[in-house]
Amino acid sequence: AQSVSQHNHHVILSEAASLELGCNYSYGGTVNLFWYVQYPGQHLQLLLKYFSGDPLVKGIKGFEAEFIKSKFSFNLRKPSVQWSDTAEYFCAVKGDAGNMLTFGGGTRLMVKP
Amino acid sequence: GAVVSQHPSRVICKSGTSVKIECRSLDFQATTMFWYRQFPKQSLMLMATSNEGSKATYEQGVEKDKFLINHASLTLSTLTVTSAHPEDSSFYICSARDPRGSVDEQYFGPGTRLTVT
Repeated sequence: AQSVSQHNHHVILSEAASLELGCNYSYGGTVNLFWYVQYPGQHLQLLLKYFSGDPLVKGIKGFEAEFIKSKFSFNLRKPSVQWSDTAEYFCAVKGDAGNMLTFGGGTRLMVKP
Repeated sequence: GAVVSQHPSRVICKSGTSVKIECRSLDFQATTMFWYRQFPKQSLMLMATSNEGSKATYEQGVEKDKFLINHASLTLSTLTVTSAHPEDSSFYICSARDPRGSVDEQYFGPGTRLTVT
């Protein structure tokens, strides 16, 4: 069975600070990796995804993530956060068997203006 | 991108009654839909996978007689919470898999907040 862990539950940053949110997964086979964002009062939206190819993936709103297979990690980064990035961020994994997405526990990011 | 809607967005019901939540894919046909439950300040937990024209597949620990799922058409899946109790109060989210794309992606609905009094 696949599992996902996000180490940072709450992160508080000032505007313009750099962001890195950790995501580690456990699965023995080929994985598809996702980061979703949930802004306050809104539904989940896809930030970026990795399926194959270049392990550095660029998503919307200046976010990027790097898949490091040897570390089973898919950390999310943004060089300079904005107040509007305040949201909850979820890492998710889909294994090569079936359609099921497994979500990490989420990281609540607060950006102070 | 593809759009998924849910109805209602909020519902309050009395203990012992049943509540039906609808999930619709608006601009694509979804052979597979998923139902999640999200507790306050927690992540999404997959409850079941809904396949059009066949029985849903429930995750371990989810009571299939309590959470009835029907995927009667390629654009509609329903979740019925039967004999609801206060502990069933939660945020229920559906997602739908768009088979048209080259990659396997799920699109999420806006969620339904259920409060059982």
